[in-house]
Amino acid sequence: GQQLNQSPQSMFIQEGEDVSMNCTSSSIFNTWLWYKQDPGEGPVLLIALYKAGELTSNGRLTAQFGITRKDSFLNISASIPSDVGIYFCAGSYSGGGADGLTFGKGTHLIIQP
Amino acid sequence: DAGVIQSPRHEVTEMGQEVTLRCKPISGHNSLFWYRQTMMRGLELLIYFNNNVPIDDSGMPEDRFSAKMPNASFSTLKIQPSEPRDSAVYFCASSSSPTTDTQYFGPGTRLTVL
Repeated sequence: GQQLNQSPQSMFIQEGEDVSMNCTSSSIFNTWLWYKQDPGEGPVLLIALYKAGELTSNGRLTAQFGITRKDSFLNISASIPSDVGIYFCAGSYSGGGADGLTFGKGTHLIIQP
Repeated sequence: DAGVIQSPRHEVTEMGQEVTLRCKPISGHNSLFWYRQTMMRGLELLIYFNNNVPIDDSGMPEDRFSAKMPNASFSTLKIQPSEPRDSAVYFCASSSSPTTDTQYFGPGTRLTVL
């Protein structure tokens, strides 16, 4: 099956710092999604990207759909304690929600006060 | 509006027993997905349904796993017989395809097989 390589695996940062993580794929996706998972909960959608080159923001979060359609990044500016969690990228081949998602292994974000 | 509902939240069973996980998707959503999450393999798609019809079950690990969706508001994932390696968190997600790829996840069922 297709694989998503997500990096870094974990990040230890100070509160207030900016965060950057990315995903690369061995093949093209039509949709990139970024999710956050808190302990004991299911993943929650943060940002959805539908077009190559698209740059989308959601508050302090910014994500981009790579031009090659094989990569995406997520940035978090001015991190705060509630940003702690696991961030997953996910890709879809279909353009209409008719396929399951392929997930990266996740980036564990740990914030030191 | 209620989100995706899964039950039970936790299940502990002994090897060889039958396990049934349940999911109620968001009302109006016509696609339903079952995922499994483990430390080693991350989140993996097991099977998904569109309009109650199974579309792709290639992710189901083996014949011990089966899933049904008898109507638009209910789905089950059954493992019979269960094995210790089935221990994982099982998530159900739904979406309102074909208008969006956005999938909304339930809180998951943590399964432990002893």
